[in-house]
Amino acid sequence: DSGVTQTPKHLITATGQRVTLRCSPRSGDLSVYWYQQSLDQGLQFLIQYYNGEERAKGNILERFSAQQFPDLHSELNLSSLELGDSALYFCASSVAGTQETQYFGPGTRLLVL
Amino acid sequence: GQNIDQPTEMTATEGAIVQINCTYQTSGFNGLFWYQQHAGEAPTFLSYNVLDGLEEKGRFSSFLSRSKGYSYLLLKELQMKDSASYLCAVSYYSGGYQKVTFGTGTKLQVIP
Repeated sequence: DSGVTQTPKHLITATGQRVTLRCSPRSGDLSVYWYQQSLDQGLQFLIQYYNGEERAKGNILERFSAQQFPDLHSELNLSSLELGDSALYFCASSVAGTQETQYFGPGTRLLVL
Repeated sequence: GQNIDQPTEMTATEGAIVQINCTYQTSGFNGLFWYQQHAGEAPTFLSYNVLDGLEEKGRFSSFLSRSKGYSYLLLKELQMKDSASYLCAVSYYSGGYQKVTFGTGTKLQVIP
């Protein structure tokens, strides 16, 4: 158990819908990262927050957005969902920056039908 | 941009030694991570190399050559449970921030 929690574990929805994925980092970690992993694909970095502020942006679509709240939990919002958005979405946290070990949550498996 | 290259798949025999290579081309390089990921599960940290040389941690060792843009993960006394994907990731400095990019991973199959 990494100490990072993600909810929900599984999510099934239809095209065009909007969903919110939630992540709680390890106690004391200030940075949260979101990754997308499609079937047999590598981890695609989406976005990083540090202490409530956006720190780095990767290959995140405009239909996707995220935020980190004062209690440091984070949410990833996916809208106008397409079939290709079906993937495993991981959240990771670290104490501060990306020179440190990232601890990954169990992931949310999203299936868009 | 960042360019990370690792073999897609490897097969090795239980009890043997396997070396998984990773080459990278990264400006502002800080260090290199190795993560293990079992199918459908979250990646877990194995090692982080900043300086050149070999770091040993039990059955797993990781090597880094900054000048060559090259790293490898060495797994000894392979066990069936070592069947997993091994992800190489580089930490680098860009645009005023530290960032990390993952490779696509090497899927290792350990056979009896």
